[in-house]
Amino acid sequence: QSVLTQPPSVSGAPGQRVTISCTGNNSNIGAGFDVHWYQHIPGTAPKLLVYGNSNRPSGVPDRFSGSKSGTSASLAITGLQADDEADYYCHSYDKTLTSSVFGSGTKVTVV
Amino acid sequence: EVQLLESGGGFVQPGGSLRLSCVASGFTFSSYAVSWVRQSPGKGLEWVSSISASGGATFYVDSVKGRFTISRDKSRNTLHLQMNSLRAEDTALYYCAKFRDKMGLTTAIDFWGQGTLVTVSS
Repeated sequence: QSVLTQPPSVSGAPGQRVTISCTGNNSNIGAGFDVHWYQHIPGTAPKLLVYGNSNRPSGVPDRFSGSKSGTSASLAITGLQADDEADYYCHSYDKTLTSSVFGSGTKVTVV
Repeated sequence: EVQLLESGGGFVQPGGSLRLSCVASGFTFSSYAVSWVRQSPGKGLEWVSSISASGGATFYVDSVKGRFTISRDKSRNTLHLQMNSLRAEDTALYYCAKFRDKMGLTTAIDFWGQGTLVTVSS
Protein backbone atom coordinates (compact mmCIF):
# COMPACT_ATOMS: atom_id res chain seq x y z
CA GLN A 1 0.00 0.00 0.00
CA SER A 2 1.59 3.22 -1.18
CA VAL A 3 1.98 6.31 0.99
CA LEU A 4 0.99 8.36 -2.06
CA THR A 5 -2.67 7.80 -2.89
CA GLN A 6 -4.10 8.20 -6.38
CA PRO A 7 -7.61 7.44 -7.69
CA PRO A 8 -7.64 4.00 -9.34
CA SER A 9 -9.17 5.35 -12.53
CA VAL A 10 -10.32 8.47 -14.33
CA SER A 11 -12.02 8.78 -17.69
CA GLY A 12 -12.95 11.45 -20.17
CA ALA A 13 -14.09 12.03 -23.70
CA PRO A 14 -11.69 13.09 -26.44
CA GLY A 15 -10.87 16.78 -26.08
CA GLN A 16 -11.86 16.96 -22.44
CA ARG A 17 -9.73 17.80 -19.42
CA VAL A 18 -8.99 15.27 -16.69
CA THR A 19 -7.03 15.64 -13.48
CA ILE A 20 -5.25 13.02 -11.40
CA SER A 21 -4.62 13.68 -7.72
CA CYS A 22 -1.72 12.41 -5.63
CA THR A 23 -2.30 12.69 -1.89
CA GLY A 24 0.57 12.33 0.55
CA ASN A 25 1.39 13.60 4.02
CA ASN A 26 3.89 15.69 5.96
CA SER A 27 6.62 13.07 5.51
CA ASN A 28 6.66 13.35 1.75
CA ILE A 29 4.84 15.95 -0.36
CA GLY A 30 4.00 18.12 2.64
CA ALA A 31 7.64 18.09 3.74
CA GLY A 32 8.56 19.95 0.58
CA PHE A 33 9.84 17.12 -1.57
CA ASP A 34 9.25 17.44 -5.28
CA VAL A 35 6.62 15.42 -7.13
CA HIS A 36 7.19 13.87 -10.54
CA TRP A 37 4.75 12.23 -12.93
CA TYR A 38 5.09 9.33 -15.37
CA GLN A 39 2.98 7.81 -18.12
CA HIS A 40 3.21 4.03 -18.32
CA ILE A 41 1.82 1.57 -20.81
CA PRO A 42 2.37 -1.83 -19.12
CA GLY A 43 5.25 -3.82 -20.60
CA THR A 44 6.92 -0.71 -21.97
CA ALA A 45 9.32 1.81 -20.47
CA PRO A 46 7.58 4.46 -18.35
CA LYS A 47 7.88 8.02 -19.66
CA LEU A 48 8.63 11.12 -17.59
CA LEU A 49 5.90 13.72 -18.06
CA VAL A 50 6.55 16.25 -15.28
CA TYR A 51 9.49 16.75 -12.93
CA GLY A 52 9.96 19.08 -10.02
CA ASN A 53 6.18 19.51 -9.53
CA SER A 54 5.48 21.49 -12.70
CA ASN A 55 8.33 21.22 -15.21
CA ARG A 56 7.98 19.39 -18.52
CA PRO A 57 10.91 17.62 -20.20
CA SER A 58 11.65 18.54 -23.77
CA GLY A 59 9.18 16.86 -26.11
CA VAL A 60 6.30 16.52 -23.66
CA PRO A 61 3.25 18.39 -24.95
CA ASP A 62 1.95 21.32 -22.91
CA ARG A 63 -1.35 19.43 -22.64
CA PHE A 64 0.26 17.84 -19.59
CA SER A 65 0.75 20.08 -16.55
CA GLY A 66 1.58 19.48 -12.91
CA SER A 67 0.94 21.38 -9.71
CA LYS A 68 1.50 20.94 -6.00
CA SER A 69 -0.14 22.38 -2.90
CA GLY A 70 0.28 21.35 0.70
CA THR A 71 0.31 17.57 1.00
CA SER A 72 -1.07 16.93 -2.50
CA ALA A 73 -0.13 17.23 -6.15
CA SER A 74 -2.08 17.00 -9.38
CA LEU A 75 -1.53 16.16 -13.02
CA ALA A 76 -3.87 17.72 -15.55
CA ILE A 77 -4.32 16.45 -19.09
CA THR A 78 -6.14 18.80 -21.44
CA GLY A 79 -7.36 18.04 -24.95
CA LEU A 80 -7.58 14.34 -24.08
CA GLN A 81 -6.49 12.03 -26.92
CA ALA A 82 -6.92 8.30 -27.53
CA ASP A 83 -3.22 7.66 -27.10
CA ASP A 84 -3.32 9.20 -23.63
CA GLU A 85 -4.83 5.93 -22.43
CA ALA A 86 -2.25 4.61 -20.01
CA ASP A 87 -1.39 4.29 -16.33
CA TYR A 88 -0.09 7.41 -14.60
CA TYR A 89 2.08 7.49 -11.49
CA CYS A 90 3.23 10.22 -9.16
CA HIS A 91 6.64 9.91 -7.48
CA SER A 92 8.27 11.63 -4.53
CA TYR A 93 10.50 11.00 -1.51
CA ASP A 94 9.39 10.01 1.99
CA LYS A 95 11.70 11.08 4.83
CA THR A 96 10.16 8.69 7.37
CA LEU A 97 10.60 5.67 5.10
CA THR A 98 13.87 7.15 3.74
CA SER A 99 12.68 5.84 0.40
CA SER A 100 11.77 7.08 -3.02
CA VAL A 101 8.04 6.30 -3.34
CA PHE A 102 5.55 5.94 -6.16
CA GLY A 103 1.86 6.60 -6.05
CA SER A 104 -0.66 3.79 -6.34
CA GLY A 105 -1.27 4.58 -10.00
CA THR A 106 -4.25 5.84 -12.02
CA LYS A 107 -5.62 4.29 -15.19
CA VAL A 108 -6.82 6.90 -17.68
CA THR A 109 -9.49 5.77 -20.11
CA VAL A 110 -10.65 7.79 -23.10
CA VAL A 111 -14.34 7.01 -23.61
CA GLU B 1 20.35 8.55 -27.33
CA VAL B 2 20.11 7.20 -23.79
CA GLN B 3 19.69 3.44 -23.65
CA LEU B 4 19.34 1.11 -20.68
CA LEU B 5 19.41 -2.60 -21.49
CA GLU B 6 18.53 -5.04 -18.73
CA SER B 7 19.36 -8.73 -18.58
CA GLY B 8 19.55 -11.56 -16.08
CA GLY B 9 15.91 -12.17 -15.32
CA GLY B 10 14.47 -15.66 -15.23
CA PHE B 11 12.70 -18.34 -13.26
CA VAL B 12 14.02 -19.22 -9.81
CA GLN B 13 12.76 -21.19 -6.83
CA PRO B 14 12.06 -19.50 -3.47
CA GLY B 15 15.29 -19.02 -1.57
CA GLY B 16 17.30 -18.85 -4.77
CA SER B 17 19.44 -16.08 -6.24
CA LEU B 18 19.63 -14.04 -9.43
CA ARG B 19 21.88 -11.25 -10.64
CA LEU B 20 20.36 -8.56 -12.82
CA SER B 21 22.49 -6.35 -15.04
CA CYS B 22 21.84 -3.14 -16.93
CA VAL B 23 24.18 -1.77 -19.59
CA ALA B 24 23.89 1.99 -20.01
CA SER B 25 24.82 4.10 -23.03
CA GLY B 26 24.22 7.56 -24.41
CA PHE B 27 25.15 9.49 -21.26
CA THR B 28 28.04 9.87 -18.81
CA PHE B 29 27.27 6.89 -16.60
CA SER B 30 29.52 8.02 -13.76
CA SER B 31 27.66 11.34 -13.39
CA TYR B 32 24.20 10.08 -12.48
CA ALA B 33 22.50 7.95 -9.88
CA VAL B 34 20.83 4.81 -11.21
CA SER B 35 18.14 2.63 -9.78
CA TRP B 36 15.98 -0.47 -9.98
CA VAL B 37 12.19 -0.13 -10.00
CA ARG B 38 9.86 -3.12 -10.21
CA GLN B 39 6.28 -3.84 -11.14
CA SER B 40 4.63 -6.98 -9.82
CA PRO B 41 1.82 -8.57 -11.85
CA GLY B 42 -1.29 -6.43 -11.61
CA LYS B 43 0.38 -3.95 -9.28
CA GLY B 44 1.94 -0.51 -9.53
CA LEU B 45 5.52 0.69 -9.74
CA GLU B 46 7.71 0.12 -6.69
CA TRP B 47 11.14 1.68 -6.14
CA VAL B 48 13.58 -1.06 -5.08
CA SER B 49 17.08 0.40 -4.81
CA SER B 50 19.31 3.27 -5.91
CA ILE B 51 23.04 3.89 -6.05
CA SER B 52 24.66 7.30 -6.19
CA ALA B 53 26.82 8.46 -9.08
CA SER B 54 30.01 7.75 -7.14
CA GLY B 55 28.77 4.38 -5.91
CA GLY B 56 29.44 5.52 -2.35
CA ALA B 57 25.80 5.63 -1.28
CA THR B 58 23.23 2.88 -1.69
CA PHE B 59 19.57 2.86 -0.75
CA TYR B 60 16.97 0.09 -0.49
CA VAL B 61 13.26 -0.35 0.14
CA ASP B 62 12.75 -2.07 3.51
CA SER B 63 11.38 -5.28 1.99
CA VAL B 64 14.69 -6.08 0.24
CA LYS B 65 17.21 -4.84 2.80
CA GLY B 66 19.68 -7.57 3.69
CA ARG B 67 18.70 -9.64 0.64
CA PHE B 68 19.48 -7.42 -2.37
CA THR B 69 22.73 -5.61 -3.17
CA ILE B 70 23.05 -2.87 -5.78
CA SER B 71 26.40 -2.09 -7.38
CA ARG B 72 27.82 -0.33 -10.41
CA ASP B 73 30.83 -0.97 -12.65
CA LYS B 74 31.95 2.35 -14.10
CA SER B 75 34.48 0.74 -16.43
CA ARG B 76 31.67 -1.22 -18.11
CA ASN B 77 28.85 1.33 -17.69
CA THR B 78 26.88 -1.41 -15.98
CA LEU B 79 24.47 -1.52 -13.06
CA HIS B 80 23.90 -4.74 -11.13
CA LEU B 81 21.36 -6.04 -8.65
CA GLN B 82 22.33 -9.17 -6.74
CA MET B 83 19.14 -10.74 -5.41
CA ASN B 84 19.42 -13.44 -2.74
CA SER B 85 16.85 -15.29 -0.63
CA LEU B 86 14.22 -14.60 -3.26
CA ARG B 87 10.55 -14.79 -2.31
CA ALA B 88 7.39 -15.21 -4.33
CA GLU B 89 6.57 -11.56 -3.69
CA ASP B 90 9.75 -10.53 -5.52
CA THR B 91 8.16 -11.73 -8.77
CA ALA B 92 8.07 -8.68 -11.01
CA LEU B 93 9.30 -6.89 -14.09
CA TYR B 94 12.47 -5.10 -12.98
CA TYR B 95 13.29 -1.81 -14.68
CA CYS B 96 16.68 -0.15 -14.76
CA ALA B 97 16.28 3.62 -14.39
CA LYS B 98 18.44 6.75 -14.55
CA PHE B 99 17.88 9.64 -12.15
CA ARG B 100 18.33 13.28 -13.13
CA ASP B 101 20.96 13.87 -10.42
CA LYS B 102 23.91 12.30 -8.59
CA MET B 103 22.13 10.98 -5.49
CA GLY B 104 19.01 9.32 -6.84
CA LEU B 105 16.32 9.59 -4.21
CA THR B 106 14.45 12.87 -4.44
CA THR B 107 14.71 13.78 -8.12
CA ALA B 108 12.90 12.41 -11.13
CA ILE B 109 13.78 9.39 -13.24
CA ASP B 110 14.29 10.63 -16.77
CA PHE B 111 15.07 7.38 -18.59
CA TRP B 112 13.95 3.79 -18.14
CA GLY B 113 14.86 0.45 -19.68
CA GLN B 114 12.35 -2.04 -21.06
CA GLY B 115 12.62 -4.33 -18.04
CA THR B 116 13.65 -7.91 -17.27
CA LEU B 117 11.20 -10.41 -15.80
CA VAL B 118 11.91 -12.24 -12.56
CA THR B 119 9.64 -15.10 -11.56
CA VAL B 120 10.02 -16.74 -8.16
CA SER B 121 8.00 -19.91 -7.83
CA SER B 122 8.25 -23.50 -6.73
